[in-house]
Amino acid sequence: DGGITQSPKYLFRKEGQNVTLSCEQNLNHDAMYWYRQDPGQGLRLIYYSQIVNDFQKGDIAEGYSVSREKKESFPLTVTSAQKNPTAFYLCASVRTGNTGELFFGEGSRLTVL
Amino acid sequence: GIQVEQSPPDLILQEGANSTLRCNFSDSVNNLQWFHQNPWGQLINLFYIPSGTKQNGRLSATTVATERYSLLYISSSQTTDSGVYFCAVERSRSGNTGKLIFGQGTTLQVKP
Repeated sequence: DGGITQSPKYLFRKEGQNVTLSCEQNLNHDAMYWYRQDPGQGLRLIYYSQIVNDFQKGDIAEGYSVSREKKESFPLTVTSAQKNPTAFYLCASVRTGNTGELFFGEGSRLTVL
Repeated sequence: GIQVEQSPPDLILQEGANSTLRCNFSDSVNNLQWFHQNPWGQLINLFYIPSGTKQNGRLSATTVATERYSLLYISSSQTTDSGVYFCAVERSRSGNTGKLIFGQGTTLQVKP
């Protein structure tokens, strides 16, 4: 079945360590997004990519990095520069030229100890 | 930037009851979507509705773009409707890009 797969679902790391979250989609969607969700809050956009080898900063990009080497994959690295990395991270995709309806993965919950 | 306000923040219903969730936004938008986040965190797209009315089973949504609000109706609620409902909008000159601004959400609990 087509969908978006995020891994790992749960991740624990020590302060100062970089962490990479995986996002893979087999929907043949052009655009992919990373959102962050804090407890009791809405989602905020970290990075997005509308085409392979190109990506743009969202509203809260500081301390994060991404790459888009393949259409199917959009990994997010949470670097040690991110001051408050503990959060729920959601990856999404949309087919460019469509209405912009977002499809989400199941999320990755990162806890920094 | 555009502001999105949802109300009420929390809602408790008895199974079978109806409810209306509201989303106000501060500027005109070209993209508005409603999502349901289940207790495990999965977000499901319910409606793409920048204007007009849509229905899908027990759920329906109406957006009055000129007055900058959208309503989500849930009829005959079931315990599986529990979770958080988000409204998200986009205002873009280059068409819909998927870069959404989310409200804080309405947390719904349906009791059996």
